[in-house]
Amino acid sequence: QQQVKQSPQSLIVQKGGISIINCAYENTAFDYFPWYQQFPGKGPALLIAIRPDVSEKKEGRFTISFNKSAKQFSLHIMDSQPGDSATYFCAATPGGGFQKLVFGTGTRLLVSP
Amino acid sequence: DTEVTQTPKHLVMGMTNKKSLKCEQHMGHRAMYWYKQKAKKPPELMFVYSYEKLSINESVPSRFSPECPNSSLLNLHLHALQPEDSALYLCASSQASGPNTGELFFGEGSRLTVL
Repeated sequence: QQQVKQSPQSLIVQKGGISIINCAYENTAFDYFPWYQQFPGKGPALLIAIRPDVSEKKEGRFTISFNKSAKQFSLHIMDSQPGDSATYFCAATPGGGFQKLVFGTGTRLLVSP
Repeated sequence: DTEVTQTPKHLVMGMTNKKSLKCEQHMGHRAMYWYKQKAKKPPELMFVYSYEKLSINESVPSRFSPECPNSSLLNLHLHALQPEDSALYLCASSQASGPNTGELFFGEGSRLTVL
């Protein structure tokens, strides 16, 4: 129940294309769903996050879509750029005090020039 | 620039050595975390300190010993490690209370190699 399943494991997208990463969860106690971006040699950094009472959140080229009934959420990167090449982790947290993040398995995105 | 500073960036140690990883943040966060990350894997939670008290220990072997001397500092003491402990060790911090934001602030990590 604590797992967050993430797919695909890796993704190659041409510059200007749309990158889509999907995640699914089981635990209904999760109440916040962040996405983290990690470049090689760096720690993960929060990219965008969504609450379960919101179906979509957009920040620049990054959009989270959330389907509460299906317990699924996804990250869309519009107009993908080579600088977006990184590993992306979805996560979920039940909240209440400090952050008890449960990470997905990660997606390695390569945006080809 | 990350606001969570970790030292050293790289560490090579033998199985009989004793070493420490250090982490510092000045964002006023009262929760601090140690994560372990193997190549091509997500970060795995090891320890959480909340208000300088150990709140979570994810069944980590005793050869890893965390310490939180004050609200800005977090140490991880290492002793008698095994080669399989080689990994990137990430420190993170966050608010310890208030609305859920899902946000952890990670340092760049300490790359540990155990020979």
